Amino acid sequence: EVQLVESGGGLVKPGGSLRLSCVASGFTFSNAWMSWVRQAPGKGLEWVGRIRSKTDGGTADYAAPVEGRFTISRDDSKNTLYLQINSLKTEDTAVFYCTTFSFTSGWSWGQGTLVTVSS
Amino acid sequence: EIVLTQSPGTLSLSPGERATLSCRASQSVSRSYLAWYQQKPGQAPRLLIYGASSRATGIPDRFSGSGSGTDFTLTISRLEPEDFAVYYCQQYDSSPYTFGQGTKLEIK
Repeated sequence: EVQLVESGGGLVKPGGSLRLSCVASGFTFSNAWMSWVRQAPGKGLEWVGRIRSKTDGGTADYAAPVEGRFTISRDDSKNTLYLQINSLKTEDTAVFYCTTFSFTSGWSWGQGTLVTVSS
Repeated sequence: EIVLTQSPGTLSLSPGERATLSCRASQSVSRSYLAWYQQKPGQAPRLLIYGASSRATGIPDRFSGSGSGTDFTLTISRLEPEDFAVYYCQQYDSSPYTFGQGTKLEIK
């Protein structure tokens, strides 16, 4: 069974930085493309970005609103996905989810980690 | 970027009725790479449908997905009380993987 467990959220001041983590289990993490999705309070879902597997290049794509401030990375030896967020803004306040896709079972999601940006 | 537009924004129905939710894409979603989710307050999204019509594990057969190209539909054949929630569609055919704005299904 796929399990995704996010951590690292919390209260941060505007302009600050944060690194979120997502520990994966139940599938071959090194072969998987991984994504981050966020949801601001009371709002809809917003795709943040994705990272390819190393065998597919290991590169990342980002949504336009976060390009340049967000960086997705992975450590396949630890089955862990990361999201580095810099220059945090109040509008970055959201629950952040990590997700992955399988052709046999579709999309799997973690339970999310809350990031609150406030002075 | 593929823009997904869901309609209606809010759907008011009674238990036992049939619900039809629409998701229209601004350009073709090739390979039918479209998913549907259900979300309740305080919970992560729950995958219902992927590949436009494949039901996810454990999803009751009253939920079905159809469509191709630019027009997709989620149908709930007979509403149960637990089905009242917000529903989102998502395309994963091309980056950025975009979501629709959601349809709120409320009890009439």
